[in-house]
Amino acid sequence: QEKVQQSPESLIVPEGAMSSLNCTFSNSASQSIWWYQQHPGKGPEALISIFSNGNKKEGRLTVYLNRASLHVSLHIRDSQPSDSAVYLCAFASSGSWQLIFGSGTQLTVMP
Amino acid sequence: DPKIIQKPKYLVAVTGSEKILICEQYLGHNAMYWYRQSAKKPLEFMFSYSYQKLMDNQTASSRFQPQSSKKNHLDLQITALKPDDSATYFCASSQQGDSYEQYFGPGTRLTVL
Repeated sequence: QEKVQQSPESLIVPEGAMSSLNCTFSNSASQSIWWYQQHPGKGPEALISIFSNGNKKEGRLTVYLNRASLHVSLHIRDSQPSDSAVYLCAFASSGSWQLIFGSGTQLTVMP
Repeated sequence: DPKIIQKPKYLVAVTGSEKILICEQYLGHNAMYWYRQSAKKPLEFMFSYSYQKLMDNQTASSRFQPQSSKKNHLDLQITALKPDDSATYFCASSQQGDSYEQYFGPGTRLTVL
């Protein structure tokens, strides 16, 4: 069964710090890897995606993908209290449109 | 204006009853999905539809039946409700294909007593 493991479960950082979140997925044939942000009582919202090995930067976000080790990480530079949310890693299974999600990392940024 | 509308926002039902969760999207997408998020469990894929046709069904139970009356509608009928069905149900939509961002609605929180 395809799975996504996220770590840590929760992360507390001071305002202005770098937040680093990790994700390991079970399927090397996955087409795309996504990071979603979910605030309490809201639906998930896509932040950034990556398809190829390497890294991708968008604003304060950088994502690194290593398909050989089935690992992807998200780094949020200059973290803000408004970044406090649950971050979900997901991959789109090859040949399917379903997204397979991890359990999430609860990020808290302290002012 | 909200791009994906889910109704109702909260729903309380009794065991054994039947409910319909409504979803409409105004993003012009051809693919729509249902996901479920239970307490302490990851967000879980249930169904995908494209051009009003079922593409993928990962729900073991036939008690869950999606219904698409229009291209931008995908409702979810749940029969013979059980307490274990208590969860937040999210509708999502995207352009066709596995490389496109899926946009999620605000969810319907279902509690079965």
